[in-house]
Amino acid sequence: AQKITQTQPGMFVQEKEAVTLDCTYDTSDPSYGLFWYKQPSSGEMIFLIYQGSYDQQNATEGRYSLNFQKARKSANLVISASQLGDSAMYFCAMREGNQGGKLIFGQGTELSVKP
Amino acid sequence: GAVVSQHPSWVICKSGTSVKIECRSLDFQATTMFWYRQFPKQSLMLMATSNEGSKATYEQGVEKDKFLINHASLTLSTLTVTSAHPEDSSFYICSALRLGREQFFGPGTRLTVL
Repeated sequence: AQKITQTQPGMFVQEKEAVTLDCTYDTSDPSYGLFWYKQPSSGEMIFLIYQGSYDQQNATEGRYSLNFQKARKSANLVISASQLGDSAMYFCAMREGNQGGKLIFGQGTELSVKP
Repeated sequence: GAVVSQHPSWVICKSGTSVKIECRSLDFQATTMFWYRQFPKQSLMLMATSNEGSKATYEQGVEKDKFLINHASLTLSTLTVTSAHPEDSSFYICSALRLGREQFFGPGTRLTVL
């Protein structure tokens, strides 16, 4: 079974608008962490935001915020005020507490920002 | 943030040869490093967990005799693709775990096997 699911292979957004990238996860471990990474065409993995399973509030980092709905097992990334430089692949990932730190990645969403 | 380097950044080799990729944590010690493989337009797939001073732990379906991992020091892990074939052509990315928690990625190595 897929542990991390991103159902949007590709998304388009108009510059300056907000966009939500979906991510759902599946785990029975009560302790886990959820990550979002951006991968531009150069291939580097850029860390965006982190949410711990015990965190009471949704994580925010500048224009990035994570809509964490624990009961629904979803961790959607919201990018506000999209910029042309936001065009890239976006990956959701999960780290389970008993797995030694390894990350399991979703399939990714390719975001294209239109001018 | 911490820095992880990979060398080489790209490599082209002939079928049947072996290729070694290095992953270094430049400003921190990493007892654990990870190796991922990414095919075009696909996600990162974890290949193995590299532990300093012990044998690597391979994910299901990854041939340990083909992908040799050596983590001989706290700042260096190497991945050797032995007897490479065109289907091994891929983007290989390493990451290093700092303080057992934060994971930092290298810039990746693009391998092309002719």
